[in-house]
Amino acid sequence: KNQVEQSPQSLIILEGKNCTLQCNYTVSPFSNLRWYKQDTGRGPVSLTIMTFSENTKSNGRYTATLDADTKQSSLHITASQLSDSASYICVVSSSGANNLFFGTGTRLTVIP
Amino acid sequence: EAGVVQSPRYKIIEKKQPVAFWCNPISGHNTLYWYRQNLGQGPELLIRYENEEAVDDSQLPKDRFSAERLKGVDSTLKIQPAELGDSAVYLCASQGVRPQETQYFGPGTRLLVL
Repeated sequence: KNQVEQSPQSLIILEGKNCTLQCNYTVSPFSNLRWYKQDTGRGPVSLTIMTFSENTKSNGRYTATLDADTKQSSLHITASQLSDSASYICVVSSSGANNLFFGTGTRLTVIP
Repeated sequence: EAGVVQSPRYKIIEKKQPVAFWCNPISGHNTLYWYRQNLGQGPELLIRYENEEAVDDSQLPKDRFSAERLKGVDSTLKIQPAELGDSAVYLCASQGVRPQETQYFGPGTRLLVL
C-alpha cells in the first residue's frame, strides 16, 4: 500500500533554533518527492522537489534530503524564524499511476 | 503572473443545500486537481484533469460530487446535496505538462456545512 508518514506530528521550537522534520514512504514506483509549506488558511507552496538521483536540495534556509534506498526524506530548517510557523507536508509522486501521495504534515510552531 | 485562483474563499451552507466551487488554473497548465483537506490532515485527491478529460476520479464520491472542466481551463466542483461531513477546505491545484513540474495550489475554499 502506498503511504507517506511524517513525524513528528507537531513541533514547537524557539526562534533561531534549527529543526528537522521526517518523512518515510512506501510509494512505488517512485518518481519524486516534494516538500510543501502550508500557512494557515492558505494553499500549500512548494519548497523543494527531488528525483531518485538527487539526495539533497536547498531552498534558502530549507534543506531537504532523500535516501531512496531507505525511502526516507528529511527537511531541515536552519535558524528558524517566526514566519516558519506552518504545516510542512511531504508528497511522494508515483511514476506508475502518476499519482501524488500526501503525508498528514508536521505542524511547526516557532515561538519568540 | 497570477497564481491559481479559487472562489469563493469561504462558504457556509445548511446541510442538504447545493454548493459549487470555482477554480482558474495558471495559464498554460493542462493538469488540474481538486483536493479536499480536513483539519490537521494532508490533502486528499478528488479528481484530476488532463485538459478537459477527467483521468482520475476514483476518489470522487459520485453520488453527490460532480466536477467539470469543459474547455480545459476553468473548472467547477459541485456538491449536491451537502452533508455535515463535507465541511473541509477544497483546494485546487494546477501543473504544467511535465510530471516533474511543481504543482501550484490555490488558496482553497473553506466550506462549513451546518
